[in-house]
Amino acid sequence: NAGVTQTPKFRVLKTGQSMTLLCAQDMNHEYMYWYRQDPGMGLRLIHYSVGEGTTAKGEVPDGYNVSRLKKQNFLLGLESAAPSQTSVYFCASSSLDRENQPQHFGDGTRLSIL
Amino acid sequence: GEDVEQSLFLSVREGDSSVINCTYTDSSSTYLYWYKQEPGAGLQLLTYIFSNMDMKQDQRLTVLLNKKDKHLSLRIADTQTGDSAIYFCAESRGGGFKTIFGAGTRLFVKA
Repeated sequence: NAGVTQTPKFRVLKTGQSMTLLCAQDMNHEYMYWYRQDPGMGLRLIHYSVGEGTTAKGEVPDGYNVSRLKKQNFLLGLESAAPSQTSVYFCASSSLDRENQPQHFGDGTRLSIL
Repeated sequence: GEDVEQSLFLSVREGDSSVINCTYTDSSSTYLYWYKQEPGAGLQLLTYIFSNMDMKQDQRLTVLLNKKDKHLSLRIADTQTGDSAIYFCAESRGGGFKTIFGAGTRLFVKA
């Protein structure tokens, strides 16, 4: 019963490098989300998806791209990493069916951009 | 996340009650949540309350909602060292993608 799995758990990049963060959920959830968590700022929504093949911008989308080719996977891409993108990234998912729609979170990816 | 406000730190002694407060801004919010984040982990749903309720109790946890003042609180009775974590308040304005999180309150429990 894995829930939401994020890979990698840690990564260090140099400015200008690219990378993709992977998120997988095994709960058959329709909605998936990418957040970043910075000290004193809580969680900020980067992008989200309401279903396979669809994505939408959240509060802080600049510098990131996402794809949802399969229902269970949601990928977050950084095309040209910048130091301002140093953060902890969380993926989450939620169900369309449950009325209160709580989100289920992965354990996070700690990303440092030098 | 600036629409949901919480104090950043709270320190209590083991065995005392902890009260974590939160204010939100959208009166149309349908559900209000408390999530717990332990070190190195993601957020886990602790409890939630529907907007037409005033109170919800779940074992050591009591959630109070004052809809008029847009104030939400989480009371943890008999606080234990294992309760040390960051607690996030969140409001849902309909659909998971409309969930707004506060900055989190870091609870320190002193033995």
